[in-house]
Amino acid sequence: AQSVSQHNHHVILSEAASLELGCNYSYGGTVNLFWYVQYPGQHLQLLLKYFSGDPLVKGIKGFEAEFIKSKFSFNLRKPSVQWSDTAEYFCAVQRGGGGADGLTFGKGTHLIIQP
Amino acid sequence: DAGITQSPRHKVTETGTPVTLRCHQTENHRYMYWYRQDPGHGLRLIHYSYGVKDTDKGEVSDGYSVSRSKTEDFLLTLESATSSQTSVYFCAISGPGLAGAEAFFGQGTRLTVV
Repeated sequence: AQSVSQHNHHVILSEAASLELGCNYSYGGTVNLFWYVQYPGQHLQLLLKYFSGDPLVKGIKGFEAEFIKSKFSFNLRKPSVQWSDTAEYFCAVQRGGGGADGLTFGKGTHLIIQP
Repeated sequence: DAGITQSPRHKVTETGTPVTLRCHQTENHRYMYWYRQDPGHGLRLIHYSYGVKDTDKGEVSDGYSVSRSKTEDFLLTLESATSSQTSVYFCAISGPGLAGAEAFFGQGTRLTVV
């Protein structure tokens, strides 16, 4: 079974600061990797995903993530955060191969951006 | 937003009563999922379906059952609700893909068991 670890449960930054949220997973086979965002009171929305190919993935709203296979990591980055980025961020992993397997989520990182 | 409707959106029920949550999709996606979200736990998979009448257990399936009689509907039933099942429940859908596919989530159902 897969597991996902998000290193920071709460992060507080000022506007324009750079962001990096850590995510490590444990699974020996092929994986698909995702970052989802949940704004207050809303459902989860996909930020970006990695299935294969270029390990540097660009998503919506200026977010990007880098897959480092040797480190089993998929860290999320944004060079300059905005107040509107305040939200809960979830890293998730899925066994690769196109099956019906659900996602295994990390516990989430609550990001607060101060104006 | 993907065409996913969860009902009800909010429910308060008493311990020991049965509860059914409904997820309805208009995307004709093959795979459907039920997750629960709890503080400090992220989202955890309860049950999933890979086709009509085809379902399987997830990580936290005890106390829950599911049914899928049509492609568009996936029902989650709490046979006898307990306070530990107070949570926010999210339905998700996903299409099959050669390598995988992203999941789209519904708006959630907030269930309180008193």
